[in-house]
Amino acid sequence: QKEVEQDPGPLSVPEGAIVSLNCTYSNSAFQYFMWYRQYSRKGPELLMYTYSSGNKEDGRFTAQVDKSSKYISLFIRDSQPSDSATYLCAMSGRNAGNMLTFGGGTRLMVKP
Amino acid sequence: DSGVTQTPKHLITATGQRVTLRCSPRSGDLSVYWYQQSLDQGLQFLIQYYNGEERAKGNILERFSAQQFPDLHSELNLSSLELGDSALYFCASSVGGVSTEAFFGQGTRLTVV
Repeated sequence: QKEVEQDPGPLSVPEGAIVSLNCTYSNSAFQYFMWYRQYSRKGPELLMYTYSSGNKEDGRFTAQVDKSSKYISLFIRDSQPSDSATYLCAMSGRNAGNMLTFGGGTRLMVKP
Repeated sequence: DSGVTQTPKHLITATGQRVTLRCSPRSGDLSVYWYQQSLDQGLQFLIQYYNGEERAKGNILERFSAQQFPDLHSELNLSSLELGDSALYFCASSVGGVSTEAFFGQGTRLTVV
């Protein structure tokens, strides 16, 4: 079993929909939680960074972390075709080697 | 543009050969990380250097090695290449030694034939 699990999708939604992307993890040492967006044949781009549990909002994006359930989410409001990409969750922690551990990514398609 | 520069963008080589991938981190970043992305394994951490010294090691094969130079650029050396080494190789950098806000380069696509 992988340390970080993520539904690979693809997830197809109409433009304007609210998108919910999720990851579960097993290592309780993770303290830092990130979401990256990766367009085809490009490098991952950092979208959101959250420390420990709670919510963080940035424009149309909201990241949620529930450490008790070992579950993190990324919500995208008013989704746009330009949001079509693969979304990767990533986690790290001082007691987890400090390295980023990635989920497998969820491919999102937003249709006009 | 993340500010992390990787060269070359594409590389095609034969099995058994050796290649060197290069990474220039963002200005001011002391840490460099190397990742391998393949279809079946996803994005896997290989190795981290911080200010010239190895800081953390992940799933890096013995055939692979890396170093970070005094000007902070880094090189990943892959030797005795196998077909299964075909993948995207990413370099990322961050200011400190903890990868909480790592910025990724555009990657080097390696194809071993």
